[in-house]
Amino acid sequence: AQSVTQPDIHITVSEGASLELRCNYSYGATPYLFWYVQSPGQGLQLLLKYFSGDTLVQGIKGFEAEFKRSQSSFNLRKPSVHWSDAAEYFCAGSAGGTSYGKLTFGQGTILTVHP
Amino acid sequence: EAQVTQNPRYLITVTGKKLTVTCSQNMNHEYMSWYRQDPGLGLRQIYYSMNVEVTDKGDVPEGYKVSRKEKRNFPLILESPSPNQTSLYFCASSKIAKNIQYFGAGTRLSVL
Repeated sequence: AQSVTQPDIHITVSEGASLELRCNYSYGATPYLFWYVQSPGQGLQLLLKYFSGDTLVQGIKGFEAEFKRSQSSFNLRKPSVHWSDAAEYFCAGSAGGTSYGKLTFGQGTILTVHP
Repeated sequence: EAQVTQNPRYLITVTGKKLTVTCSQNMNHEYMSWYRQDPGLGLRQIYYSMNVEVTDKGDVPEGYKVSRKEKRNFPLILESPSPNQTSLYFCASSKIAKNIQYFGAGTRLSVL
């Protein structure tokens, strides 16, 4: 079955430290992959997406993600975290093609930033 | 302003009383979708629509209905709500070619 898994429920980092949020996927072919961020009481905002091509994807707010087919992973990274990055982060995937519309989300990772 | 608008934002109802949550977008997007968000489960897709009169089931469609009679609107209907449908609901839309989903602010539903 197609799935997206975020192994870490909660991550705490200090402001200025680097960040990596993990995402693993299980799809038959290369999926479309996304990272979204949700601030408290808000809807979701797209950070970045991967469809094909360059496996290192740049997004908004200084985030990037790397698609690694051999590890079935699409981890989100940021070199230096700001206090405003505290939020919940969701990885999501879609099989594409005729299954374009069916989007599966991971369970989410809550990021806490210490000053 | 480009946006996805959901109404109402908060709703408390009782078991079995039919309700509709509306979703409207002003971006001429072909694709629209409904999700529910529950703690520890992330977002789960309920139904989606690729265009007018075209809808399909997501992962958790049981107990829900949708319709897409106009491009801009995609209402979510709970014909006989039950307490296990208490959740935070999000509507989203996108241009199919771009595949960037824009989310509404959410509707918090409590079924007593």
